[in-house]
Amino acid sequence: AQSVSQHNHHVILSEAASLELGCNYSYGGTVNLFWYVQYPGQHLQLLLKYFSGDPLVKGIKGFEAEFIKSKFSFNLRKPSVQWSDTAEYFCAVNAFGNEKLTFGTGTRLTIIP
Amino acid sequence: DSGVTQTPKHLITATGQRVTLRCSPRSGDLSVYWYQQSLDQGLQFLIQYYNGEERAKGNILERFSAQQFPDLHSELNLSSLELGDSALYFCASSDRGGALPTDTQYFGPGTRLTVL
Repeated sequence: AQSVSQHNHHVILSEAASLELGCNYSYGGTVNLFWYVQYPGQHLQLLLKYFSGDPLVKGIKGFEAEFIKSKFSFNLRKPSVQWSDTAEYFCAVNAFGNEKLTFGTGTRLTIIP
Repeated sequence: DSGVTQTPKHLITATGQRVTLRCSPRSGDLSVYWYQQSLDQGLQFLIQYYNGEERAKGNILERFSAQQFPDLHSELNLSSLELGDSALYFCASSDRGGALPTDTQYFGPGTRLTVL
């Protein structure tokens, strides 16, 4: 069974700082990888996803993530964060052909104006 | 707006009671997934239906059951409720059934269940 680890539980940054949130997964086969964001009081929204091809994936709102297969990682990055990026971020994985999503525990991001 | 709707938004009930949560998938999506989000367990997959049939099961308690109707909407039934069932219940939909490279799951706004 697959599992996902997000080691940063709460990250606090100032506006314009650069962001990197870690995500590591555990699964021996082919996986699909996702980052979802949950703004306060709202539902989960897809930020970006990786299925195959270029391991550097660009998503919405200036976010990107890089799939490093050798490290089983899919870290989320943004060069310059904004106050509106304050939210909880979830990394998720599913095995190729199995749509059940396994989520990490989430990282709460707080941006200080 | 993801196109997935869930009702009700909030539900407050007592221990031992039974409730039904409803989800309407995006137009054309055949798969519906249910997830539970709680403070101690995080986001956990409960169950998936594809075109009316149960497709996959996760950490779903025996007190919980779900079904998907011919019009593709789904209901999650929670019975003999306990305090620990208090959580946010999300529904998601996608147009795939798991046979080919998977598509994206789109999440609804959730139903917040409070058991007193």
